[in-house]
Amino acid sequence: AQKVTQAQTEISVVEKEDVTLDCVYETRDTTYYLFWYKQPPSGELVFLIRRNSFDEQNEISGRYSWNFQKSTSSFNFTITASQVVDSAVYFCALSEALAGAGKSTFGDGTTLTVKP
Amino acid sequence: NAGVTQTPKFQVLKTGQSMTLQCAQDMNHNSMYWYRQDPGMGLRLIYYSASEGTTDKGEVPNGYNVSRLNKREFSLRLESAAPSQTSVYFCASSEVVRQANQPQHFGDGTRLSIL
Repeated sequence: AQKVTQAQTEISVVEKEDVTLDCVYETRDTTYYLFWYKQPPSGELVFLIRRNSFDEQNEISGRYSWNFQKSTSSFNFTITASQVVDSAVYFCALSEALAGAGKSTFGDGTTLTVKP
Repeated sequence: NAGVTQTPKFQVLKTGQSMTLQCAQDMNHNSMYWYRQDPGMGLRLIYYSASEGTTDKGEVPNGYNVSRLNKREFSLRLESAAPSQTSVYFCASSEVVRQANQPQHFGDGTRLSIL
């Protein structure tokens, strides 16, 4: 069975600090997909990034970067020079190819608060 | 660009009442999903539909029914509402393209309170 663990329930930082959100997953499937979503205080869920199990290249997009390591089953998300607008709940999700229908299992989320 | 549209946005029910949450997507996606989000528990899958005419149970299906009316619409019904079903409900859709799972697109959610 697939499982996603986001051990950090809440993180609080001061603006301009760097912050890393951890995500550890469990799967028996060899083909799977990992996602990060953001849920700002307004409540909508916004897709941030998708990685597949065959591509371990790390990715940087502006102030955001993602570190995917199959050896440790982790897909961590770093925000550099955090801003107040980064305050949100961040969800990591895992989608196994064999599960069908593109289903995903979500972690419980990490609430990030960035203080001015 | 409407994406995924959910109605209503807010609803208050009394215990035992029934209601249907509506969801429609305009992205021509095959797969659609219903989740509930409770504080500190992330998103839990209630039901999903891989294609028009098919539906399957997710992690927490008890007390709910669904209908995939056509490719666009996927409704969630509470037959006899209970206070434990107070939650925020999200509908989502996605596509599997060339056997690769794509991200899900979410509606804005329905805040449901059951007294």
